[in-house]
Amino acid sequence: GQQLNQSPQSMFIQEGEDVSMNCTSSSIFNTWLWYKQDPGEGPVLLIALYKAGELTSNGRLTAQFGITRKDSFLNISASIPSDVGIYFCAGRLPGTYKYIFGTGTRLKVLA
Amino acid sequence: KAGVTQTPRYLIKTRGQQVTLSCSPISGHRSVSWYQQTPGQGLQFLFEYFSETQRNKGNFPGRFSGRQFSNSRSEMNVSTLELGDSALYLCASTEGTGRDADTEAFFGQGTRLTVV
Repeated sequence: GQQLNQSPQSMFIQEGEDVSMNCTSSSIFNTWLWYKQDPGEGPVLLIALYKAGELTSNGRLTAQFGITRKDSFLNISASIPSDVGIYFCAGRLPGTYKYIFGTGTRLKVLA
Repeated sequence: KAGVTQTPRYLIKTRGQQVTLSCSPISGHRSVSWYQQTPGQGLQFLFEYFSETQRNKGNFPGRFSGRQFSNSRSEMNVSTLELGDSALYLCASTEGTGRDADTEAFFGQGTRLTVV
């Protein structure tokens, strides 16, 4: 199936550190969404991006829509233990409501 | 506003059986999409319904089907279950009217299907 390249696959970080992850694709997308998923739960929407070059923040989270429309990144500043989970990017194919998801970044925060 | 509700949360079925999963979208949302999540394949798009019509379809066999009712609730059916159908099935709700903010997809907690 189709998936976006998301990196890193996993990371251990110390509490208080900043985290950065990104997604790249060969396809152009009209919308980028970033989600966090906890075990046994559905993904929770964190940030939505609609325009190339757009930079959006939600608390300690900042995400950007790449200018080529083929990539996006997510930064988490001053990480805390509850940031633990799997983060997914999702790109919406133009003219559809079909989202292609990234392979996920598993984040572990060491207190 | 209530979120996306999926029922049941857990299901165990035997190979060859069929199963129906249900999804109630956020009130006012008219688009419902279904995704399959497995450790190996990640999140894969199954199909999307809007106003009782299937608008988009993923690359799954015909054993996977769905429908949407006039109140926007949706059901997904899988016939002749195979072991490989074991997965978390997620439903996503979107306003679906085409404006930027209306394309945000909100997920339910999912239905964990185990085929034995």
